[in-house]
Amino acid sequence: DAGITQSPRYKITETGRQVTLMCHQTWSHSYMFWYRQDLGHGLRLIYYSAAADITDKGEVPDGYVVSRSKTENFPLTLESATRSQTSVYFCASSTLAGKGELFFGEGSRLTVL
Amino acid sequence: GQQLNQSPQSMFIQEGEDVSMNCTSSSIFNTWLWYKQDPGEGPVLLIALYKAGELTSNGRLTAQFGITRKDSFLNISASIPSDVGIYFCAGPIRSGTYKYIFGTGTRLKVLA
Repeated sequence: DAGITQSPRYKITETGRQVTLMCHQTWSHSYMFWYRQDLGHGLRLIYYSAAADITDKGEVPDGYVVSRSKTENFPLTLESATRSQTSVYFCASSTLAGKGELFFGEGSRLTVL
Repeated sequence: GQQLNQSPQSMFIQEGEDVSMNCTSSSIFNTWLWYKQDPGEGPVLLIALYKAGELTSNGRLTAQFGITRKDSFLNISASIPSDVGIYFCAGPIRSGTYKYIFGTGTRLKVLA
């Protein structure tokens, strides 16, 4: 039971480069989420998705792009990475809207130099 | 924007002590979720609350849904070293939405 997996787990890149973080879940959950975690800010929602081809902005969407062509995948792209995007990124999924538990991946630690 | 404020931000306690932490919102929530995050891992759900006034336990953990629906509380009884971690409250920003937001977290350290 693979659950929800993120890749890469660690990434170092340079300012201005494009970076894509992958998220894959095997449960066929409808809802998927991307959060970033920074010291002092907790977890902040970047983007979320209710189903394939349905996405919406969260609290901090600027500088990020998402897509969801298949239910099981929800990649997050930083089109031109900035140092302020250095963070730990968590993908999560859920079966129910508004009442369901979020299941998290192990996180992707991104460093932008 | 919507914020969930948690207090305390961090705490050191002795093994065996009880712990209390809380989460407050500027608006009403219809669901409260409490998560724990161990170092290097993603958060894991501890307790879910769905009704104002609800009191729910999970082992040594007890959480309550505040009657104003703007706050929630988590208590840990007889703490042990493995309780170390960050505790987050979370909930959907509006009823019927799946836009979940998280609090800033309470970092717990247990001294053996």
